[in-house]
Amino acid sequence: SQQGEEDPQALSIQEGENATMNCSYKTSINNLQWYRQNSGRGLVHLILIRSNEREKHSGRLRVTLDTSKKSSSLLITASRAADTASYFCATDKGGSEKLVFGKGTKLTVNP
Amino acid sequence: DAGVIQSPRHEVTEMGQEVTLRCKPISGHNSLFWYRQTMMRGLELLIYFNNNVPIDDSGMPEDRFSAKMPNASFSTLKIQPSEPRDSAVYFCASSSPVDEQFFGPGTRLTVL
Repeated sequence: SQQGEEDPQALSIQEGENATMNCSYKTSINNLQWYRQNSGRGLVHLILIRSNEREKHSGRLRVTLDTSKKSSSLLITASRAADTASYFCATDKGGSEKLVFGKGTKLTVNP
Repeated sequence: DAGVIQSPRHEVTEMGQEVTLRCKPISGHNSLFWYRQTMMRGLELLIYFNNNVPIDDSGMPEDRFSAKMPNASFSTLKIQPSEPRDSAVYFCASSSPVDEQFFGPGTRLTVL
């Protein structure tokens, strides 16, 4: 299985702090995506990073990808209470549309 | 666009009953995915379609589950007969080729 695995499973921080979540996977990928899920809602796409990219930014989000270590990290800077959600990484299988999701990191940002 | 639409949002049924979940993908998207989410197993891909054709159904748990996509704007996931272990949130998602997936709000299924 090439399932992504997020680490940590749960993270609790204060508003204004940075939050870092990690994802590891097992086999070669074309791209890696991060999604967010608010409680009781569907997943929302945050950012996609391709295998030939090392870092990507989108607003307060910064994603890195290290294909040699088969790992990625998602950094949320200056966190807000509204960032409270579960965050999932998802990996493709080289050319396939099929995504495999990890179990997620549950982030709590305390006001 | 209204996004991916799923119905019903909540379904409570008794063991042995047939359950049909419905999905309308985003117009113009040619790929459609059905997922199941539980605390124990996380988010699992059940089946996905491309241009209305099932491409990978390896995640369908057993013959009690079936999915159809009769046209580009509609898909169903049917469970017959339903069992308590089928209780989960079922998501439908759609996408353009090899792009981000857009998820619907999900159907919370409870089988008593």
